[in-house]
Amino acid sequence: ETAVFQTPNYHVTQVGNEVSFNCKQTLGHDTMYWYKQDSKKLLKIMFSYNNKQLIVNETVPRRFSPQSSDKAHLNLRIKSVEPEDSAVYLCASSLVSAETLYFGSGTRLTVL
Amino acid sequence: QQQVRQSPQSLTVWEGETAILNCSYENSAFDYFPWYQQFPGEGPALLIAIRSVSDKKEDGRFTIFFNKREKKLSLHITDSQPGDSATYFCAASSQGGSAKLIFGEGTKLTVSS
Repeated sequence: ETAVFQTPNYHVTQVGNEVSFNCKQTLGHDTMYWYKQDSKKLLKIMFSYNNKQLIVNETVPRRFSPQSSDKAHLNLRIKSVEPEDSAVYLCASSLVSAETLYFGSGTRLTVL
Repeated sequence: QQQVRQSPQSLTVWEGETAILNCSYENSAFDYFPWYQQFPGEGPALLIAIRSVSDKKEDGRFTIFFNKREKKLSLHITDSQPGDSATYFCAASSQGGSAKLIFGEGTKLTVSS
C-alpha cells in the first residue's frame, strides 16, 4: 500500500530550467527526506525536515531547495538544472525517533 | 569514502538456490543494519534488519548473519524465487534515527527459472 506519494513520475527538461517535485505522506510521520539515486543506484540523502525544521542538509548544490508547507508535504525545487542532476529523486518519511524509512516510488529527472 | 560496501554488484541464481549477499562496514559505532529491497520503478522498502547485539536474524526465507568482530554481515535468501529479483541495499546507522542511515551501493539479484 503506497503511503508516500510523489509527482511527477518522470520529468524531462533542458539545462538551465527550474523544476519542482512534490511529495506527500499519509503515514502521520513527522520527518520527511529527499534522496538522490544516481544511475549506479547509489542512494544519497539530500535533505530531511522535521516539523518544518531542516535537520540534515548534506552538501548539495545551492540550486536545490526543499520546501515544506506542513509535516505531510515536502517538495524539492531545483533552480537552473544541470546535466549531472539527471537521477531518480526519492522522497521518504519516518518518525523522528524511528529507524525505518518509507519511500515513495520516485521522480526520474532527465536533463538534456 | 564509502562506509558501507556490498558485494557482489550483481548476482544471478537459479530458482530454488540460496542467494548470498555480502555487506561490510567501517564504523565500529554502527549498531543497526537494515536491508532494503528495491524493485524497478519503485522506492526501496525495508526487508529485514538486525542490531549489533545479535548475530542472526531470520524472517521466513530471509536471514541476516552478523559478525561484529569482522564488521561483516550477509543476507541469505533461501529457496530463491523469480519474484525475489530486485536490488538489495545494506544500510547502517548508529545512535538510532533514520537520518543517520548510510546505504551501500546495492546488489542486483536476478533469479532465473
